[in-house]
Amino acid sequence: EIVLTQSPGTLSLSPGERATLSCRASQSVSSSYLGWYQQKPGQAPRLLIYGASSRATGIPDRFSGSGSGTDFTLTISRLEPEDFAVYYCQQYGSSPPVTFGQGTKLEIK
Amino acid sequence: EVQLVESGGGLVKPGGSLRLSCAASGFTFSTYSMNWVRQAPGKGLELVSSITSSSSYIYYANSVKGRFTISRDNAENSLYLQMNSLRAEDTAVYYCACSDGGYRYWGQGTLVTVSS
Repeated sequence: EIVLTQSPGTLSLSPGERATLSCRASQSVSSSYLGWYQQKPGQAPRLLIYGASSRATGIPDRFSGSGSGTDFTLTISRLEPEDFAVYYCQQYGSSPPVTFGQGTKLEIK
Repeated sequence: EVQLVESGGGLVKPGGSLRLSCAASGFTFSTYSMNWVRQAPGKGLELVSSITSSSSYIYYANSVKGRFTISRDNAENSLYLQMNSLRAEDTAVYYCACSDGGYRYWGQGTLVTVSS
C-alpha cells in the first residue's frame, strides 16, 4: 500500500498570498495518478487536480499541480477567502488500494 | 447534471446492520467504477470499498473485510453497501464517489452512528 504524507499539517496564510502544499508518497505513483481535493466543513470533497497537473472542470486557474514519482505539490497562486479549507492528496495509480493523504488545513492568518 | 444521492444512514447499536444506497443520475453509471469512502468525525478520508463497472472486481479495506458487502445494480443506476456487525469505529459520514480520473463526483454523504 502506498502511504501519502502531506505537509504541513496546518498552513496559516493571508488572502492574496501564495500557498504551497506538499504530498510525498512512500513509493513512486504510477503514471502520475495523483489527485488533489478540497473539502470545506460539512461538504463532500471536491476534485481539484487529477493526473498530478490537470485541473478538473470548473476549477480556477489559480490552482495548479505539479510533480512526479514520489513528490507532488499543489500551488494556489493568490489565495481567495473561499480557498481556506482542508486539502487532501490521493493516489489512484496503484490500485488496490487507492489511498489518501492525511490532509493539510489551510487557515486564515 | 451529475448527481449522487446517498441514503440509509442512521443510528445503530453495536453489532447491528445497515444498508446504504447511492442513487446515480446524469451520467452513464454502468461504465464507471464506484466507491464508498468514509470520514470519521474530525478525521481524514478512508476508502472503504470499490467495485468495477461490471462488478468483476471488488476491493474492501481490511477494517471492513468480512463485514461489509458492496454491490451495484446498473439497471437501476444504484450502488449499495451492506454493513453488518457494526462497531463504534465504523461511525462516520459515508460518501459514494465515481472513479473518473480520480474521484470526480461525490455524493453529499450519509451519517452512520454506531452507539449503544
